Amino acid sequence: DTEVTQTPKHLVMGMTNKKSLKCEQHMGHRAMYWYKQKAKKPPELMFVYSYEKLSINESVPSRFSPECPNSSLLNLHLHALQPEDSALYLCASSQEGQVTGYGYTFGSGTRLTVV
Amino acid sequence: GEDVEQSLFLSVREGDSSVINCTYTDSSSTYLYWYKQEPGAGLQLLTYIFSNMDMKQDQRLTVLLNKKDKHLSLRIADTQTGDSAIYFCAEMGMDSSYKLIFGSGTRLLVRP
Repeated sequence: DTEVTQTPKHLVMGMTNKKSLKCEQHMGHRAMYWYKQKAKKPPELMFVYSYEKLSINESVPSRFSPECPNSSLLNLHLHALQPEDSALYLCASSQEGQVTGYGYTFGSGTRLTVV
Repeated sequence: GEDVEQSLFLSVREGDSSVINCTYTDSSSTYLYWYKQEPGAGLQLLTYIFSNMDMKQDQRLTVLLNKKDKHLSLRIADTQTGDSAIYFCAEMGMDSSYKLIFGSGTRLLVRP
């Protein structure tokens, strides 16, 4: 299995809702990432998990809460979002501790719309 | 922080070659990557080059690296309409704490 799977593919939520984005990989990668991508912009790093521990938080607002229950799963819990949080949320994984030619493997993303 | 820049748009005719350029600032970059993103999709790794290489060829793709000028290019030979997408260069190095840093992306349009 050489894929990163993200669910759901599309999500519409109200500003008072609580929802979660899910990401799964079975490549044995020990580093997992959340990126946010606005239209016509490059992906921006949000969080990095290394060996199931949060290693980087790029000053992301607390309405985004990541969780890594095990080495294969990564969640992003959403609460009280704003319309400007609407974006494509990408999950990625990589072999931890190694800078390799394989870079990161990305999922196909969750298109989030906050209404 | 580290900076990676690309031109925003490129239009070519089907069958021609496309050249997408990228400049970066991290002198400690170890690997440089090219990703492709089709509309509504995630990012697909196309190819990469290690910083001690000048050139890498992979079928229709040729990557050239000028480390002195911190300039990277991606040449696509015999460009097809299916190559229409956004292409991101990305770098990873010590100065960026080994995080993957993306350029702004180049939108490639292939005309029939």
